[in-house]
Amino acid sequence: NAGVTQTPKFQVLKTGQSMTLQCAQDMNHEYMSWYRQDPGMGLRLIHYSVGAGITDQGEVPNGYNVSRSTTEDFPLRLLSAAPSQTSVYFCASSYSMGEKLFFGSGTQLSVL
Amino acid sequence: SQQGEEDPQALSIQEGENATMNCSYKTSINNLQWYRQNSGRGLVHLILIRSNEREKHSGRLRVTLDTSKKSSSLLITASRAADTASYFCATDGGSNYKLTFGKGTLLTVNP
Repeated sequence: NAGVTQTPKFQVLKTGQSMTLQCAQDMNHEYMSWYRQDPGMGLRLIHYSVGAGITDQGEVPNGYNVSRSTTEDFPLRLLSAAPSQTSVYFCASSYSMGEKLFFGSGTQLSVL
Repeated sequence: SQQGEEDPQALSIQEGENATMNCSYKTSINNLQWYRQNSGRGLVHLILIRSNEREKHSGRLRVTLDTSKKSSSLLITASRAADTASYFCATDGGSNYKLTFGKGTLLTVNP
């Protein structure tokens, strides 16, 4: 099993550009989530999904969209990148809600 | 808003010593989890303790939970240089949907 796979590992965007951060898991996990990690802030939940076709907002959802068309994939879209979205993004999944999370290796995003 | 807060923010010890980190949280929980993050890497799950449990062990790790004080502690015994990492507690705030992380404790184990 590859676990949770995130791509790309690094990305530089200009303000106003859009992009999609990819996340895929091969563990048949129902629950998937996106976090951002900023220095001194810990991890903050952006969006989460409890199954295909079901998504909901976390703590800091503004500026991000998600969709879950399959159990395996949970992409995160930045519609119009802003410098405040410079961060490290982590995707995580678990077999069900409330269980331990498996994390991807992260995407380091810089918005200039 | 941060549900869990770790204390201390940073801890430096010698190899072989024990390391204790604490986590305080604000609202009722179903479970509390501890994770480790090596520099620049994704988080790795260490232990999950449920609200009806008081103590849990895994190898050199011991986690306690005191729901009356809304606090948990992580003890790493006989620390090794490889234990150098940031440690985070995460709580669900009573909802299984949203796991909230603290800001972490940076543990440095000196050889």
